[in-house]
Amino acid sequence: AQKITQTQPGMFVQEKEAVTLDCTYDTSDPSYGLFWYKQPSSGEMIFLIYQGSYDQQNATEGRYSLNFQKARKSANLVISASQLGDSAMYFCAMSCEDRGSQGNLIFGKGTKLSVKP
Amino acid sequence: SQTIHQWPATLVQPVGSPLSLECTVEGTSNPNLYWYRQAAGRGLQLLFYSVGIGQISSEVPQNLSASRPQDRQFILSSKKLLLSDSGFYLCAWGLEVTDTQYFGPGTRLTVL
Repeated sequence: AQKITQTQPGMFVQEKEAVTLDCTYDTSDPSYGLFWYKQPSSGEMIFLIYQGSYDQQNATEGRYSLNFQKARKSANLVISASQLGDSAMYFCAMSCEDRGSQGNLIFGKGTKLSVKP
Repeated sequence: SQTIHQWPATLVQPVGSPLSLECTVEGTSNPNLYWYRQAAGRGLQLLFYSVGIGQISSEVPQNLSASRPQDRQFILSSKKLLLSDSGFYLCAWGLEVTDTQYFGPGTRLTVL
């Protein structure tokens, strides 16, 4: 069965430093997508970054990068130069083709990131 | 560009009352549409998804139902709300199988 595991309930980082949020996944499907979303206190889920299972290079989007290690089934999010506005919940998610054609996302339980000034 | 709307933003309803939450998407055609619920301090749980007008699939049997009367409209309903229906309801849209899903601003429902 597909599963996403985020083992860090909460993380602290000093402003302007980098932080890594862990995510491991489990699937037997050779084709899948991995996603990170940010959820600030307002509640909206904001898409950050996507990594396809066949992508050879790690995805990057501005200050966000995804450290994709396929053999270890990990997809850690790296945020560089943290800002106070980065304080939020962060969710790792996966979409697999073998769940049908609907592309339903499976979410982890999230990591609450707090950036200290 | 595509946008997704949800309303109302917040709702307080008594137990046993009906519910109707609406989600609409602009700027795209024939999207897959999804309803998720997030309990306080928890991750997201998929409730319903739809790949086309009138096509609804339920992930979790419960007190809720969904309908898709138009291509870009998705409605979440209940005839009689339960206390356990309280939560944050998010609508999302996506295109391809492993494509990104984009979420609306959500509706915070409190059932008293």
